[in-house]
Amino acid sequence: NAGVTQTPKFQVLKTGQSMTLQCAQDMNHEYMSWYRQDPGMGLRLIHYSVGAGITDQGEVPNGYNVSRSTTEDFPLRLLSAAPSQTSVYFCASSLGGSGSGNTIYFGEGSWLTVV
Amino acid sequence: GENVEQHPSTLSVQEGDSAVIKCTYSDSASNYFPWYKQELGKRPQLIIDIRSNVGEKKDQRIAVTLNKTAKHFSLHITETQPEDSAVYFCAATPYGNNRLAFGKGNQVVVIP
Repeated sequence: NAGVTQTPKFQVLKTGQSMTLQCAQDMNHEYMSWYRQDPGMGLRLIHYSVGAGITDQGEVPNGYNVSRSTTEDFPLRLLSAAPSQTSVYFCASSLGGSGSGNTIYFGEGSWLTVV
Repeated sequence: GENVEQHPSTLSVQEGDSAVIKCTYSDSASNYFPWYKQELGKRPQLIIDIRSNVGEKKDQRIAVTLNKTAKHFSLHITETQPEDSAVYFCAATPYGNNRLAFGKGNQVVVIP
């Protein structure tokens, strides 16, 4: 199993550009989520999905869109990048919800800089 | 929603000593409390977790204790080694909730 795979690993965007961070998992996990990590801020939930076709907002959803057309994939879209979106992004998956004690597995992270 | 706080932000310990990190949470309905370790430039990885029906859990040099009344839980690392140097995140979530709330992290530095 490759686990959770994110691409790209590094990206530089200009303000106003759009892009998609890709995330795929091969563990047949129902739950997938996106977090952003900023210095001194910990991990903050952007969006999450409890299964194909179902998504919901997390703590910091503004400026980001997601969709879940398959169990395996959960892309994160930045429609109009802003410098405030400079961050490290982690995709994660779990067999079930975190509230049921399911371990969350993280991807390797995507370093995004918006200039 | 759940709010998780971690203290202290940075902890320096001599190799071989113990390290303790404490987290407090706000939602009394929270019942699952994992701890993640993140080395520089790497992904967070689960090192231990505890559910609310258990007061303590141990795995070799790592232990977690939970005090539901006071709404705090702690990570204990004994006989610290240089490879224990990392950022440690605590988290909490209520049963049935899919939003795992993370603390801001503690930098642990083990001095050889």
